[in-house]
Amino acid sequence: EVQLLESGGGLVQPGVSLRFSCAASGFIFSNYAMSWVRQAPGKGLEWVAAISGSGGNTYYADSVKGRFTISRDNSKNTLYLQMNSLRAEDSAVYYCARDPGSRKGFDAWGQGTLVTVSS
Amino acid sequence: QSVLTQPPSASGTPGQRVTISCSGSSSNIGSTAVNWYQQLPGTAPKLLMYSNSQRPSGVPDRFSGSKSGTSASLAISGLQSEDEADYYCAAWDDSLNGYVFGTGTKVTVL
Repeated sequence: EVQLLESGGGLVQPGVSLRFSCAASGFIFSNYAMSWVRQAPGKGLEWVAAISGSGGNTYYADSVKGRFTISRDNSKNTLYLQMNSLRAEDSAVYYCARDPGSRKGFDAWGQGTLVTVSS
Repeated sequence: QSVLTQPPSASGTPGQRVTISCSGSSSNIGSTAVNWYQQLPGTAPKLLMYSNSQRPSGVPDRFSGSKSGTSASLAISGLQSEDEADYYCAAWDDSLNGYVFGTGTKVTVL
């Protein structure tokens, strides 16, 4: 069974850094690109970042470029999102999602982890 | 700000057909496949349709998708109470070099 389990959320102050993890199981992790998608309370979905299966290619939404870094450790079947200089508008549930490629959509999602940025 | 535009809401009675539109541009829908996601209240999104009109295993054939030019649509035939959810379209955008989601449509079963 494919499973994605996020961790690392919480309540943080503006300007601090935070790192999310997404532990994958049930599939060959390195064969899949992965993405982070977020959803602010009561709002729609927003794609945040993507990384290729090898980790050699990364892509970012303009809203997080230069502040967030997506990475992966294929030996640990784990995806990461390093978030720096957090702002109130980064408050959201963050989901990791599996991407089988060929623009076939995100076919597996984690349960999400909530980060609230507030002083 | 979402690049793909959807109507904020749609509704129907059980058994009716409901259609949701998704309007984009030549850099996204016009040049690549559209995917659709269903998000039931309080849960993570679920892939409902990929490559414009392909249903993942387990998705009922009541759901169908299509694309024409820079627009796409999702149809739900034989609407059921369990279809009450938020629906999002999505596509890769060549200009932004990233994925874009639609604004989302809340479907209500009356």
